[in-house]
Amino acid sequence: EAAVTQSPRNKVAVTGGKVTLSCNQTNNHNNMYWYRQDTGHGLRLIHYSYGAGSTEKGDIPDGYKASRPSQENFSLILELATPSQTSVYFCASGDRGASNERLFFGHGTKLSVL
Amino acid sequence: GEKVEQHESTLSVREGDSAVINCTYTDTASSYFPWYKQEAGKSLHFVIDIRSNVDRKQSQRLIVLLDKKAKRFSLHITATQPEDSAIYFCAASRATGGNNKLTFGQGTVLSVIP
Repeated sequence: EAAVTQSPRNKVAVTGGKVTLSCNQTNNHNNMYWYRQDTGHGLRLIHYSYGAGSTEKGDIPDGYKASRPSQENFSLILELATPSQTSVYFCASGDRGASNERLFFGHGTKLSVL
Repeated sequence: GEKVEQHESTLSVREGDSAVINCTYTDTASSYFPWYKQEAGKSLHFVIDIRSNVDRKQSQRLIVLLDKKAKRFSLHITATQPEDSAIYFCAASRATGGNNKLTFGQGTVLSVIP
């Protein structure tokens, strides 16, 4: 079974502080994604990666950085956290293949910025 | 960029009835349309998808219809059961190149009343 693990599961941060959300996948997938989920917006793509060393901007990248140091790990970094970044963040992995393009999601990280 | 609109924010049906969730998209180049389910307090998981080379796909009680001309697709859940209660997300992507970057709809909260 494909596995995507996020840490921490919950995080409370102060405005202006630095926050790092981590994601690890054991699927050996090339592609990894960071989404945030907000009521009324569904899931919105922040950053994604094609493989180790690659990061790409998604639809709402402002205020976020990403890092993909290895095939397994993909981090989302908030250098200066703001209350508007309070949300639930989901990491996902996937690969494009002839028959299977589905994404596998982690359990989410609930971030509160006070 | 692509925009996906999910028309029903909430939907209540009686157990055994059918449920229909409708989505529209804007990018004529989109060719891959998956659906994901999120049960209360849990992460998202894939349920069914359809590609633009067909207009109907069925997997057990789930049917997906695609109308490319209208840029519309829908999820039909037949003979609903209480365990179908969840948030359902539609999504779309161009499914080209090396990534399966998805644009999600806002989500539909489906309640199946016993």
